[in-house]
Amino acid sequence: VLLVQSGAEVKKPGTSVRVSCRTSGFTFNSYALHWVRQARGQGLEWVGWINAGTGHTKYSQKFLGRVTITRAASATTVFLDLADLRPEDTGVYFCAREGPVETSSSSFDFWGHGTLVTVSS
Amino acid sequence: SYVLTQPPSVSVAPGQTATFTCGGDNIAGKTVHWYQQKPGQAPLLVVYDDSVRPSGIPDRFSGSNSGNTATLTVSGVDDGDEADYYCQVWEINDRVFGGGTRLTVL
Repeated sequence: VLLVQSGAEVKKPGTSVRVSCRTSGFTFNSYALHWVRQARGQGLEWVGWINAGTGHTKYSQKFLGRVTITRAASATTVFLDLADLRPEDTGVYFCAREGPVETSSSSFDFWGHGTLVTVSS
Repeated sequence: SYVLTQPPSVSVAPGQTATFTCGGDNIAGKTVHWYQQKPGQAPLLVVYDDSVRPSGIPDRFSGSNSGNTATLTVSGVDDGDEADYYCQVWEINDRVFGGGTRLTVL
């Protein structure tokens, strides 16, 4: 199982960023993929998730209206789009696999290496 | 929303046992997972479903969940265990992390 994320980004406030997570080594459609953020020196913060099979999504209330998670099933890749960026969005964004989707209360068993997003004017 | 409370730090001498607590309202009714994160690395699952170790995690790591507190125990601590430890649960369709506990090996 591998989750390979896109490279670091530097963005200005008010703009948007897209982070990708290319997966391999498992049946993509059978799992959920999540995004988790970690600000510098801070803890883990759940952003949202996508059912890789159906495309159904759920987002943390904190990010509602600014975040979109999508997938490209043919490429076994998921994407995190975050709009209206603010300096406090600076942090490392991790993708993580959870599942299988039919199993409730599953854990995050595999993680990407993380993508640093810096928001600065 | 559901809140998980972890003490910010734990310190133990090498060879001793480190205990990490994760407090939540009737957390025994939820399934708790634990992650270890070393500086500059992604989190690593060390215990899932309250007390199950993934393949490759040594049996020095154990977990339990009762009442309002879930616990991760690491016995025979060594320098390689220095890290932040996070608990995590499902909350309906959301996921919740505790604030994390930093383990310092004295």
